[in-house]
Amino acid sequence: GAVVSQHPSWVICKSGTSVKIECRSLDFQATTMFWYRQFPKQSLMLMATSNEGSKATYEQGVEKDKFLINHASLTLSTLTVTSAHPEDSSFYICSVGQHQETQYFGPGTRLLVL
Amino acid sequence: GENVEQHPSTLSVQEGDSAVIKCTYSDSASNYFPWYKQELGKGPQLIIDIRSNVGEKKDQRIAVTLNKTAKHFSLHITETQPEDSAVYFCAAMDTGNQFYFGTGTSLTVIP
Repeated sequence: GAVVSQHPSWVICKSGTSVKIECRSLDFQATTMFWYRQFPKQSLMLMATSNEGSKATYEQGVEKDKFLINHASLTLSTLTVTSAHPEDSSFYICSVGQHQETQYFGPGTRLLVL
Repeated sequence: GENVEQHPSTLSVQEGDSAVIKCTYSDSASNYFPWYKQELGKGPQLIIDIRSNVGEKKDQRIAVTLNKTAKHFSLHITETQPEDSAVYFCAAMDTGNQFYFGTGTSLTVIP
């Protein structure tokens, strides 16, 4: 399967700052990447679908101005949490996948906003 | 849209015993059903999957069965080992390529 990396794996920031999370597909040209968030002991919640070269598609209830997604190449998508607040603290996971195929997940990024 | 339910939420078994996790889905058009294992602090890892044109698939100690008529699918782990302890998620993919995840099952294998 595809190998997906995320950076950073851990980030602690002050409230009001912005945080950028990178998702890289190391051996797979990903025209589509997905961003999920996961709260403790809960399932994965899809935030947005990131399409290379075009605007991301956000799920209902996800603020696109707060969670900025850029998918500038076939191997890199970034998620920027703008003006982060403590309620944004979560585990953010990206995945890559082709149409009608499985998704391969990155190792996740744990964000703690103080 | 699709709705995936997963049971049980927690499961404890003795080492060597079998574990079964069940999921149901609502959209009969869903055609792909993967299972993921997630260890603490890590991303989900695909362990087995099945497509709607197949009723059963096996990979060593892990098997998945699919009943399209009843719209449910199950994960079977035989001869469980402590390293099988993790959270397991089922998912269903609709024709629009979107994944819908179950709520997860925390499996504990007691040595």
